[in-house]
Amino acid sequence: QEQLVESGGGLVQPGNSLRLSCAASGFTFSSFGMHWVRQAPGKGLEWVAIISYDGRDEYYADSVKGRFTISRDNSKNTLYLQMNSLRPEDTAVYQCAKDDGFGEFLNYFMDVWGKGTTVTVSS
Amino acid sequence: EIVMTQSPATLSVSPGERVTLSCRANQSITNNLAWYQQRPGQAPRLLISGASTRAPGVPARFSGSGSGTEFTLTISSLQSEDFGVYFCQQHYLWLSFGGGTKVESK
Repeated sequence: QEQLVESGGGLVQPGNSLRLSCAASGFTFSSFGMHWVRQAPGKGLEWVAIISYDGRDEYYADSVKGRFTISRDNSKNTLYLQMNSLRPEDTAVYQCAKDDGFGEFLNYFMDVWGKGTTVTVSS
Repeated sequence: EIVMTQSPATLSVSPGERVTLSCRANQSITNNLAWYQQRPGQAPRLLISGASTRAPGVPARFSGSGSGTEFTLTISSLQSEDFGVYFCQQHYLWLSFGGGTKVESK
C-alpha cells in the first residue's frame, strides 16, 4: 500500500527555519517526482514545490522561491522541505504528494498524498 | 497565472441524490484537469485525471466532463462516504487548485 507520512511541523517564530520530512513506503520512491502542497487555515490548496525523481530538477511557487528548498534522499525513501525565513503567511498544513508520472516524465498532478504536518509561524 | 474557481462553495445534499460540482479556469487548460476528494481527517484522494478518466479503484458513480475552461464532477448517487471537500486542479501551466466545494449532509 502506497503511503506518505509527514513529520517535522511545529510552532516557529517569524524569521526562523524548519525542516519537514516525508517518509514514503509501498512504492519505488526513486522512480517518481514528488511535490509539497500546503493548505492555510480556511483556505484552499497551494502548490509549493516539485522535485524530479533523481533530485536534479526543482521548481517552486513564487511565494516560496528563494526561501524554501525541496530535496530528497532516495536511499532513505524520504522527501524534505527546508523552510527558511518563515513568515506568518507560511502557516499551513504541509502535505507531500507523489506525482502521477514516472521517471523523467512529470504529469504535475498527484496520485498519492500524505495527511500533512502543521506549521505555525507566530511570535 | 491560471486561476481556478469552484462552485458552489458548499452543497448540502442527502444520500442518493445526484451531485454536480463545477470548476472553471480563467483561460483554456484543454483537458489538463484533475479532481480530488478529501474526507475529514484524511489525505486527499485522486478521483479523476485528464478531466474524465477515473483513477484506479474510484467507483463508477464518479464521472468528470468538460474541456477548455468549464469542467464538471458528477456523483450519480451520493453515498454517505462521499461527504467531504472536492478540489479541482489544473496542470496545463504549472499547477493551481480551486478553492474547493464542501459536500455536506442536508
